[in-house]
Amino acid sequence: EPEVTQTPSHQVTQMGQEVILRCVPISNHLYFYWYRQILGQKVEFLVSFYNNEISEKSEIFDDQFSVERPDGSNFTLKIRSTKLEDSAMYFCASRGRGGGNYGYTFGSGTRLTVV
Amino acid sequence: AQSVAQPEDQVNVAEGNPLTVKCTYSVSGNPYLFWYVQYPNRGLQFLLKYITGDNLVKGSYGFEAEFNKSQTSFHLKKPTALVSDSALYFCAVRDAGNQFYFGTGTSLTVIP
Repeated sequence: EPEVTQTPSHQVTQMGQEVILRCVPISNHLYFYWYRQILGQKVEFLVSFYNNEISEKSEIFDDQFSVERPDGSNFTLKIRSTKLEDSAMYFCASRGRGGGNYGYTFGSGTRLTVV
Repeated sequence: AQSVAQPEDQVNVAEGNPLTVKCTYSVSGNPYLFWYVQYPNRGLQFLLKYITGDNLVKGSYGFEAEFNKSQTSFHLKKPTALVSDSALYFCAVRDAGNQFYFGTGTSLTVIP
């Protein structure tokens, strides 16, 4: 079964450093998403991406965040200058057309720890 | 605005007993409701959805959920719990823009 792959599974970074979280969506999917889950809290929408541009973003997705699909296979989330409160599990998701859950597939997440 | 609520942070049930994980929702328009499960170190896995049609929806691994419009609920159920069902369960609603809104999650522990 096709999977969404996220790397690394766990990243530790110092406050103020830039991090890039990487995702490889399912190859024929067209829509891409990032969600995050702060420990003990709900999963929150960050951003959606379609046709090489952001289609929607939440209030959380401020100027510190950016997304990119640099090579047609990877979908990255960059945090420019990390803060302690950015520590969370970050989930990538991709979506095709139709499907049992409307084609959504989530990756296994990257746990980001900012120290 | 779309939102879901999962009133229970933790549910414990004995193996072999029926289980229920509760979810209530608040949506404008028709609700598109989902249940996802998260096992340790794994991504969110789709269990089932309600879009339209029968109020009782059957999904993966023997789970089912009942859509109740009058009570705005979408509780997840399983007749016979297994130890392997122990995981974190998320209820979610999807809006017209395909954005998901998740509940806070319910940790299910099935006791042998």
